Amino acid sequence: ETVLTQSPATLSLSPGERAALSCRASQSVSSDLAWYQQKPGQAPRLLIYDASNRATGIPARFSGSGSGTDFTLTISSLEPEDFAVYYCQQRNNWPRTFGQGTKVDIK
Amino acid sequence: EVQLVESGGGLVQPGGSLRLSCSASGFTFSNFPIHWVRQAPGKGLEYVSAISSSGVSTYYADSVKGRFTISRDNSKNTLFLQMSSLRPEDTAVYYCVKCSSSYYYDSWGQGTLVTVSS
Repeated sequence: ETVLTQSPATLSLSPGERAALSCRASQSVSSDLAWYQQKPGQAPRLLIYDASNRATGIPARFSGSGSGTDFTLTISSLEPEDFAVYYCQQRNNWPRTFGQGTKVDIK
Repeated sequence: EVQLVESGGGLVQPGGSLRLSCSASGFTFSNFPIHWVRQAPGKGLEYVSAISSSGVSTYYADSVKGRFTISRDNSKNTLFLQMSSLRPEDTAVYYCVKCSSSYYYDSWGQGTLVTVSS
């Protein structure tokens, strides 16, 4: 099973600041990685797929990078609606796995 | 607009059974794999099970293998998850999730809560 480790667990930032979230895989997943955003009481939403492609309707301030075992989700300038929990997920092998999540909260 | 609506959750005793359903609309259901993903209260996301577009291939997390069965009825645009021998650690919100053409989770239902407790 591919274990995904996200860091940090919590990121405390102010609106307008840049956020960088990390996801590290226990083995290579090539570029088969996605990022999801989840707000309280809501289902997750796909942000990034294939490590660096924005999903439909996702603002350009969200970007993804990396391949192999190290990945980064960057939010260039935090908007109030971006404070949420973010998960990475791999689809390279079975079982599909998720990281444990990074919470981005307001400083 | 893609819609996925789960139903069938509720309170069940340990060792009991429950059948979840997911009714789909807004897309050609028979063309896409569908997965179940769960989230325990206050915890992260966990893949549970997957089924191919035709229903021929199925996959399970080790934690549910032998206890859960995924199936689909493409004539009725409906996905099922038959859960048996339920344990307290199966307590979670269960999401029905559509896969995109590149096999990521591009549409999610609102979830249905399953509580396993005596």
